Amino acid sequence: GAGVSQSPSNKVTEKGKDVELRCDPISGHTALYWYRQSLGQGLEFLIYFQGNSAPDKSGLPSDRFSAERTGGSVSTLTIQRTQQEDSAVYLCASSRNPSGQGFKGELFFGEGSRLTVL
Amino acid sequence: RKEVEQDPGPFNVPEGATVAFNCTYSNSASQSFFWYRQDCRKEPKLLMSVYSSGNEDGRFTAQLNRASQYISLLIRDSKLSDSATYLCVVSFMDSNYQLIWGAGTKLIIKP
Repeated sequence: GAGVSQSPSNKVTEKGKDVELRCDPISGHTALYWYRQSLGQGLEFLIYFQGNSAPDKSGLPSDRFSAERTGGSVSTLTIQRTQQEDSAVYLCASSRNPSGQGFKGELFFGEGSRLTVL
Repeated sequence: RKEVEQDPGPFNVPEGATVAFNCTYSNSASQSFFWYRQDCRKEPKLLMSVYSSGNEDGRFTAQLNRASQYISLLIRDSKLSDSATYLCVVSFMDSNYQLIWGAGTKLIIKP
């Protein structure tokens, strides 16, 4: 498909386990974002990748969270030793370079990975 | 105080009516403004950007009031399919990727 693809769509895990969430952005989009959305809340920024630049990790809530983007394409968000407060929908988005003229504020989101930590 | 605030609603509106809601932002340096739409259990999608002079896209009109630091969205002749949560998004010019998201206003259009 041509859109942003995320997997798994749903993940139920036990407290203390590690989880990996995957995002496959739109081909040609250099920017990739991870957000977290809890019920009734706005999107919480986690991490941003742009091309080969160092990622902006300022939104990661703790050192249990990490993300990689390999080859400027697919990204993996890893949560170690999951806690119940990590339960949320994790949204990945991609876009054109926000510093470029073609950006216009449009992020393309995947359908999200719903994480439930028991 | 949250950086971007919205009335969570829900706004219950009869089909065909006009509805408007606002979003306030706290940082006067904010430069770019957007409305996104999010259907229940779906991902957000860009509805429209908000320009300084105001802009219209079909039944939707967005306006910016810099003096009072709010943006608004007006929907005319509302349709059942307009039922969704509308997210207000603000960014700063020097780092456009740092989008600040409101928690959204839920709109329910009733037949």
